[in-house]
Amino acid sequence: DAKTTQPPSMDCAEGRAANLPCNHSTISGNEYVYWYRQIHSQGPQYIIHGLKNNETNEMASLIITEDRKSSTLILPHATLRDTAVYYCIAAPGGTSYGKLTFGQGTILTVHP
Amino acid sequence: DSGVTQTPKHLITATGQRVTLRCSPRSGDLSVYWYQQSLDQGLQFLIQYYNGEERAKGNILERFSAQQFPDLHSELNLSSLELGDSALYFCASSPGFVTNEKLFFGSGTQLSVL
Repeated sequence: DAKTTQPPSMDCAEGRAANLPCNHSTISGNEYVYWYRQIHSQGPQYIIHGLKNNETNEMASLIITEDRKSSTLILPHATLRDTAVYYCIAAPGGTSYGKLTFGQGTILTVHP
Repeated sequence: DSGVTQTPKHLITATGQRVTLRCSPRSGDLSVYWYQQSLDQGLQFLIQYYNGEERAKGNILERFSAQQFPDLHSELNLSSLELGDSALYFCASSPGFVTNEKLFFGSGTQLSVL
């Protein structure tokens, strides 16, 4: 799996958009970008994933650059409950999907 | 609630002992995954089962073993426990063996080896 690089921590004001960057410059053509988050010591929670097109769901938006070397997760209106560790993972879809390599992630702190 | 159930939530035991962690996947999910989260190693993939068969293996120690039963629940067996095995153990499940599946994680079992 391609290595991903994320800032160790970020702050965001409640109600504002949180933009979490991720670099994956060695990503290969068959690798997707997945985002999970972990609130305190709970189990990781799936947020969103994409291959090359931008994606949006009820939780977030994922913007992937045209060269696919980086991406940004956007939480449009952050709340205090969005305080968590956010993991960006590059992994192939298909048979090896379950073998996710979690890095250190970004600790997002949402302030009142 | 992810729908994945792990028991027990907490487990305290001594070095050298053996424990079994249990996981019930979401209804209908055929794949089960085990992950270990420790302070120094982060979240690491251990092993995956699909419909009773082992499908992928990560950095799982030889002292650890797992299986998935016909009813699709899974057990992770940890033996000859060492202090360094203290960690959060997560189970996850997904529908099957197709592209782009989301993993649904349970709330974990906190293992403390004293």
